[in-house]
Amino acid sequence: AQSVTQPDIHITVSEGASLELRCNYSYGATPYLFWYVQSPGQGLQLLLKYFSGDTLVQGIKGFEAEFKRSQSSFNLRKPSVHWSDAAEYFCAVGAIEYGNKLVFGAGTILRVKS
Amino acid sequence: DAGVTQSPTHLIKTRGQQVTLRCSPKSGHDTVSWYQQALGQGPQFIFQYYEEEERQRGNFPDRFSGHQFPNYSSELNVNALLLGDSALYLCASSLATGGNYGYTFGSGTRLTVV
Repeated sequence: AQSVTQPDIHITVSEGASLELRCNYSYGATPYLFWYVQSPGQGLQLLLKYFSGDTLVQGIKGFEAEFKRSQSSFNLRKPSVHWSDAAEYFCAVGAIEYGNKLVFGAGTILRVKS
Repeated sequence: DAGVTQSPTHLIKTRGQQVTLRCSPKSGHDTVSWYQQALGQGPQFIFQYYEEEERQRGNFPDRFSGHQFPNYSSELNVNALLLGDSALYLCASSLATGGNYGYTFGSGTRLTVV
């Protein structure tokens, strides 16, 4: 079965500090990997995606993520967090073999301390 | 260029009633997917429509049905509402030839069943 695990439900970081949000997946196929951000009352905005190639992916708003096949992980990082980054972050996985649906993790709520 | 438009934004229904949610895809997109996001959870795939047909379906009962119109807009219908159907319903549009991973999400419809 396909599944995505985001181990941290909540994370609090100080403004200016670095951030890493964890994502692990279980997928019986070559995965496509995504990170989305959701602000309260809003839909999902794509931060970055990995299909193939370089395992370090750059996204919008200064975010990056690294695909580690051996660890089945796709962790999201940002070197310096801004107060406006406070939101909920979702990791998602897809695969051609499973059609076009995405399987999402439960999300990590990021709080930023000033 | 308008993104994905969903209506209504919020609605309240009584158990046993039926509801219809609407989605207009981003200009140029031809595929519409629906996701259910219960409180505190990640989105779950309901189904996807392309060329006015349901192409893929997630693990949802037949009470959930949909339709796609010639102009690519879509409706999600839920019959015999249960309390557990209370959720944010997200519509995502994409372009079939783009591999369907170039999702653009709408802001969602918040359904409350009482």
